[in-house]
Amino acid sequence: AQSVTQLGSHVSVSEGALVLLRCNYSSSVPPYLFWYVQYPNQGLQLLLKYTSAATLVKGINGFEAEFKKSETSFHLTKPSAHMSDAAEYFCAVTSNRDDKIIFGKGTRLHILP
Amino acid sequence: AAGVIQSPRHLIKEKRETATLKCYPIPRHDTVYWYQQGPGQDPQFLISFYEKMQSDKGSIPDRFSAQQFSDYHSELNMSSLELGDSALYFCASSWGTSGIYEQFFGPGTRLTVL
Repeated sequence: AQSVTQLGSHVSVSEGALVLLRCNYSSSVPPYLFWYVQYPNQGLQLLLKYTSAATLVKGINGFEAEFKKSETSFHLTKPSAHMSDAAEYFCAVTSNRDDKIIFGKGTRLHILP
Repeated sequence: AAGVIQSPRHLIKEKRETATLKCYPIPRHDTVYWYQQGPGQDPQFLISFYEKMQSDKGSIPDRFSAQQFSDYHSELNMSSLELGDSALYFCASSWGTSGIYEQFFGPGTRLTVL
């Protein structure tokens, strides 16, 4: 079985500060990992994905994530937060032996002016 | 580029009524997935179809049924609606069923059961 755990249901950072959203995964097979963003009353947008290639993955809007197998982590970072980054972020996992995506509980990112 | 289309975008129903949600995948995508996202919750997988056959099933209530048609669009039928069915229902499509194939999500259908 696969699962992801997102640490912190709410994270607040000041505009211009580093964004760090934490995600740990559990998987008995090599995982494919994703970060999705959801703005209020909107759908899910893929930020970035890891599918066993480079461990440092760059996504849209300046976000990146690093796959660390030894730590079973896939944390999302952005060097400088912008007000428009305020949204709900979901870490998710699947594998090449599965098709459904398993989502974490989500982290709501608040940007302080 | 064409995206996944879901209709309707909003739906209001009374308890015990029936609802039908439709999903039109990206052209040439052969796999469709349905997810349910309750208020303040993470999306939960319901069911998926590949080449018009059910490929996987998650926590979908027996009151719900779904199918994929010859043109690859899919419909989620929900009967005897309950208040707890109020949620955002996402459809996603992909080319292929393995997790390596990216799932593209539609904008969702917001179902409100009164």
